[in-house]
Amino acid sequence: EPEVTQTPSHQVTQMGQEVILRCVPISNHLYFYWYRQILGQKVEFLVSFYNNEISEKSEIFDDQFSVERPDGSNFTLKIRSTKLEDSAMYFCASSPHRQETQYFGPGTRLLVL
Amino acid sequence: KQEVTQIPAALSVPEGENLVLNCSFTDSAIYNLQWFRQDPGKGLTSLLLIQSSQREQTSGRLNASLDKSSGRSTLYIAASQPGDSATYLCAVGFTGTASKLTFGTGTRLQVTL
Repeated sequence: EPEVTQTPSHQVTQMGQEVILRCVPISNHLYFYWYRQILGQKVEFLVSFYNNEISEKSEIFDDQFSVERPDGSNFTLKIRSTKLEDSAMYFCASSPHRQETQYFGPGTRLLVL
Repeated sequence: KQEVTQIPAALSVPEGENLVLNCSFTDSAIYNLQWFRQDPGKGLTSLLLIQSSQREQTSGRLNASLDKSSGRSTLYIAASQPGDSATYLCAVGFTGTASKLTFGTGTRLQVTL
């Protein structure tokens, strides 16, 4: 069964460094998402992406965040200058169409020191 | 503000019991509601999606209902098993948003032998 994959599974970085989290959505899906979950807190929406552009973003998704679909399979989240409070589990998700079931990847655990 | 609440936060039941998990949301204008399962340190597994026009969905031992007017959904698990132990998350797609899901804090379920 097709699934969303994410790399790396864990990433440790120093405050102020740039990180890129990578995702491969399910191949025939058109909508892509990033969510994050700070330890012990709710899963929070960051951004959704369709037709090579952001369709919606949250207040969390400020100028230090960016997303890209560099080729036909990958979907990336870049954090330009990481802060301590960016430490969280980052989940990528995809759905066939808008407002359909979202399928989540296993997540990347990011730790900013 | 559009919010999702899940009660109880934690639940422990003996194996074989039928149980109900509750989800409430503050705005009845939704396009769908999705139930997920999350195992410790893992990603989210989609269990059921209910579109706003539906009243319930079933998959195996799981049944999810939706009452939009009262802002509630329930997830019914029949004949619980130790393997059902996990955190169950409710996520709502509110009308007026493109496709983001707003998550509850989850109910942590433990099924004991």
